[in-house]
Amino acid sequence: NAGVMQNPRHLVRRRGQEARLRCSPMKGHSHVYWYRQLPEEGLKFMVYLQKENIIDESGMPKERFSAEFPKEGPSILRIQQVVRGDSAAYFCASSPGLAYEQFFGPGTRLTVL
Amino acid sequence: GENVEQHPSTLSVQEGDSAVIKCTYSDSASNYFPWYKQELGKRPQLIIDIRSNVGEKKDQRIAVTLNKTAKHFSLHITETQPEDSAVYFCAAILSGTYKYIFGTGTRLKVLA
Repeated sequence: NAGVMQNPRHLVRRRGQEARLRCSPMKGHSHVYWYRQLPEEGLKFMVYLQKENIIDESGMPKERFSAEFPKEGPSILRIQQVVRGDSAAYFCASSPGLAYEQFFGPGTRLTVL
Repeated sequence: GENVEQHPSTLSVQEGDSAVIKCTYSDSASNYFPWYKQELGKRPQLIIDIRSNVGEKKDQRIAVTLNKTAKHFSLHITETQPEDSAVYFCAAILSGTYKYIFGTGTRLKVLA
């Protein structure tokens, strides 16, 4: 059973470009969570999704950020018009349901030049 | 909402000594407390967890204790080894929810 997959592992964008981060949950997991980790800091919850539904996006900035988890394919975190402050590691995690352990992917390290 | 504080932010111990990391949480409705280890550039990995209906859990050299009255929980690593060097994060989750609230992390360095 492959673990949580994320790609790309490293992403470099110039200010104003778009960043698309992908997350494939573990097999059998229908719950996906995105977290952001700034350098030398802890992980901050961004958004929680189930297939085709955003359940809680309270940790996600209102502008420029969006997330989806379509019926088929990976979950996508999209950041439009990136700024330097978006540079961080973005981790996704998945679980088979609520109140279960969350398994983390390897992260995508976004660098905005 | 829930808030988790973690101390110390850095910890250096000699190989073979014990290390203790402490976290406090604010919401008494929190009922699940995982600990994650994150090595440099790698993903956070669960090392041990505890639910609010028990006071202590042990797995080989690692143990976690929970004091619900005081709303704090601690990670204990005995006989530390250089490979224990990493950043450790505690987290709390409210009953019936999914949102992990993480502490700010402790950078543990085990000196050979």
